[in-house]
Amino acid sequence: DAGVIQSPRHEVTEMGQEVTLRCKPISGHNSLFWYRQTMMRGLELLIYFNNNVPIDDSGMPEDRFSAKMPNASFSTLKIQPSEPRDSAVYFCASSLRGLSNTGELFFGEGSRLTVL
Amino acid sequence: AQSVTQPDIHITVSEGASLELRCNYSYGATPYLFWYVQSPGQGLQLLLKYFSGDTLVQGIKGFEAEFKRSQSSFNLRKPSVHWSDAAEYFCAVAIYNQGGKLIFGQGTELSVKP
Repeated sequence: DAGVIQSPRHEVTEMGQEVTLRCKPISGHNSLFWYRQTMMRGLELLIYFNNNVPIDDSGMPEDRFSAKMPNASFSTLKIQPSEPRDSAVYFCASSLRGLSNTGELFFGEGSRLTVL
Repeated sequence: AQSVTQPDIHITVSEGASLELRCNYSYGATPYLFWYVQSPGQGLQLLLKYFSGDTLVQGIKGFEAEFKRSQSSFNLRKPSVHWSDAAEYFCAVAIYNQGGKLIFGQGTELSVKP
């Protein structure tokens, strides 16, 4: 089975440019999470969706960040405009919720973003 | 507020030696606890999880962890470390009254000496 697929794996952009990160969750999973990892702050939950609906976006740093999940097999995280402090590794993870399947997140390999 | 603390940022052990990585949590209800491992340039992989029942849980790659409610701890152990265990290890707690999100600790980087 394919795991969580993220693209691009690496992105280098200049300050002010728009960045779009993409995620394809594991088929059949109905929860999707976006995390950001930095040396200073570790792993931070940005936003998560259940059944394509955003449940908690309290971790989204500011209005420059937005996330969408138009269907069960695709999600995007957009940063517009990007700033150097947004440089980080962004992980997407998915899980199958329910009484018998709780908590295990399956992570993608991450998108490493560098904003110059 | 819910939180996870991993007191050790970096640990070095010799190959073949035993390992214990510490994790303390703060959570008002019964916690659901996890350990994940991250190899360089990779995403996180689940090692083991505790939901209820036996407080000693076994995971993959020979790891185990023990839940101690009185100490609010969930330490990860391995009797004999292999060089391939060098990685970063994350402890996490699930917040189920907030839809199931995971809160991660800061991570412990493990180095293995030959």
